[in-house]
Parts: sequence; structure tokens; C-alpha cells
Amino acid sequence: QKEVEQNSGPLSVPEGAIASLNCTYSDRGSQSFFWYRQYSGKSPELIMFIYSNGDKEDGRFTAQLNKASQYVSLLIRDSQPSDSATYLCAVNMGGQNFVFGPGTRLSVLP
Amino acid sequence: DTAVSQTPKYLVTQMGNDKSIKCEQNLGHDTMYWYKQDSKKFLKIMFSYNNKELIINETVPNRFSPKSPDKAHLNLHINSLELGDSAVYFCASSPPRWRDSTDTQYFGPGTRLTVL
Repeated sequence: QKEVEQNSGPLSVPEGAIASLNCTYSDRGSQSFFWYRQYSGKSPELIMFIYSNGDKEDGRFTAQLNKASQYVSLLIRDSQPSDSATYLCAVNMGGQNFVFGPGTRLSVLP
Repeated sequence: DTAVSQTPKYLVTQMGNDKSIKCEQNLGHDTMYWYKQDSKKFLKIMFSYNNKELIINETVPNRFSPKSPDKAHLNLHINSLELGDSAVYFCASSPPRWRDSTDTQYFGPGTRLTVL
């Protein structure tokens, strides 16, 4: 069974703090990794994708990938109340077979 | 507007009925998907089509039948609806690898299906 796991949360952080979201995956051969944000009642929207080990930064967001540990994370710096949403980790496990984690609900407190 | 669109947005129906959800994308993408998101918000892939050909068919009851008349459309037909089919169904598409190697998926707004 190919799986993606995340802490369901809720993860609460104060405004301006760093939010750290974690994800592990089961298929060692997976090549591409994604973070999507989903507001309540809305569709998922892409935040970041990462393919190579290491860090990838885009504005306030940093994705980190460690293929040896089968671990991918998302850091959100200077968290804002508008970042409050569910964050979905997704892994392409080959052949366009995208497996999503259950999502982590983030709450940024003003 | 360029987008992935779905109709209807809401669908309320009785058990045992047959219903369809339509999806269209005008992004020029080759691959389209159907996902089911249940009440626990778990997003699970159901089908994937590439250039009108089925490439992924996860363990889904055969009451669910996707149809792709052309690569811009992927419709989902559900026979003999059951209570457990109640969920939000998302259509998504992604561009061909030669154009964008990122595998990014673009999601439609979702169809909330309620089976009574």
C-alpha cells in the first residue's frame, strides 16, 4: 500500500512565527513532491513542488526534501492568519499516480 | 477564463439514482484526473486519463465510469448511487511533460454530492 502520512493537527502558531509541516511517504522510488493548500470549502492550490534533496525557497515558503529518510516538510515563515488552511502533502508515486496525505490543519492566531 | 470547470457545483440525489458530473479544462493539458474527498478531507485519486486513454484506475466500484470524449473533457458517471458516495469530487488536469515537467495539477472547484 502506497501511503503518505501527515499529522492531522490542528497545528496552532502565533502570527509571525514559523509553521513547520511534516510529511512522510512509503514509496522509496517516488520522484516528485508537492504541497497544496486548501481553504475550507475550496479546491486545493499548489504552494510548492520539490524534486531534489535539500531546500527550495519561494517567498515565505521553504520545502525540504530528504529522500533517504522519505521525508518532506514545508516551513512557513512570518505566518499570517490568511495562512490558516489545511496543507496537503502529495507524492507522485510513478505514472501520474498522485497519493495525497490526510492534510494538516494549520491555525495562525492573531 | 482559463480554468478547470466542473458542473454541477452541488448535486443532491436519492439512493439508487444515476448521475453524471462534467469536467472541462481549457488549459491545453493532456492529463485529467478525478479525485474523491470524503468527510475526513482525505483526497483520493480515482481515475487518470492521458490523451483520452485511461492510465490509472484505482480501486473504485465499477458503478463509477469515467468518459473522456476528448482530451479537454473528463466526465464521471455514477450508477446506483449509495450513501457512501457522498463526498466532494474534484476534477484536475496537468500539462504534458514536454511543456511543464513539474507534474503540477490544477483543480476544479469541486462538486459536492449528497446522497439521501
